[in-house]
Amino acid sequence: QKEVEQDPGPLSVPEGAIVSLNCTYSNSAFQYFMWYRQYSRKGPELLMYTYSSGNKEDGRFTAQVDKSSKYISLFIRDSQPSDSATYLCAMSGWTSGTYKYIFGTGTRLKVLA
Amino acid sequence: SAVISQKPSRDICQRGTSLTIQCQVDSQVTMMFWYRQQPGQSLTLIATANQGSEATYESGFVIDKFPISRPNLTFSTLTVSNMSPEDSSIYLCSVEPKGDYGYTFGSGTRLTVV
Repeated sequence: QKEVEQDPGPLSVPEGAIVSLNCTYSNSAFQYFMWYRQYSRKGPELLMYTYSSGNKEDGRFTAQVDKSSKYISLFIRDSQPSDSATYLCAMSGWTSGTYKYIFGTGTRLKVLA
Repeated sequence: SAVISQKPSRDICQRGTSLTIQCQVDSQVTMMFWYRQQPGQSLTLIATANQGSEATYESGFVIDKFPISRPNLTFSTLTVSNMSPEDSSIYLCSVEPKGDYGYTFGSGTRLTVV
């Protein structure tokens, strides 16, 4: 079983739609959960991070973490064509004495004008 | 956050040759990281480069294949040696998080080996 699973997409939605992006993970030691956005031919950039369970909102973006289900989500409200990118989840924590910071494979999102 | 300049942005190389990728940061950082991003796969850490010491390689990556230099606190290079088509990938350099748990990445080097 992979430590983190992320649907690769692609996911196509019309402009204005609410987008839901998700990751599942297997290691309960992870404490920090991040979402990165990667535009074509660019490196990933951090969108948001969350510590432990709960929600965090930043403008049109909301990150949710459910540690009991080992499930994290990123919601994008009122999606725009400029949101078209690949979204990578990431998570970190200490496990068996080793610090781990791992990424999902990314979900390609296309928002259609 | 730090700004990273990475070059070349892309290259097409013959098998058996080597390519050196450069990474310049606009501020001094202790740790720099080199990642590989292959289609359909997650970002994979190749090695961590500290100034003044040998790089630390992750399982599956060896110094002979991916030698790294870190001559100062703002610069690092990664060389992909004796390339084969399996080395075709995007290579990214990165610097350590600064309190927000987010790595800062360069734009990447898209390498194609033919």
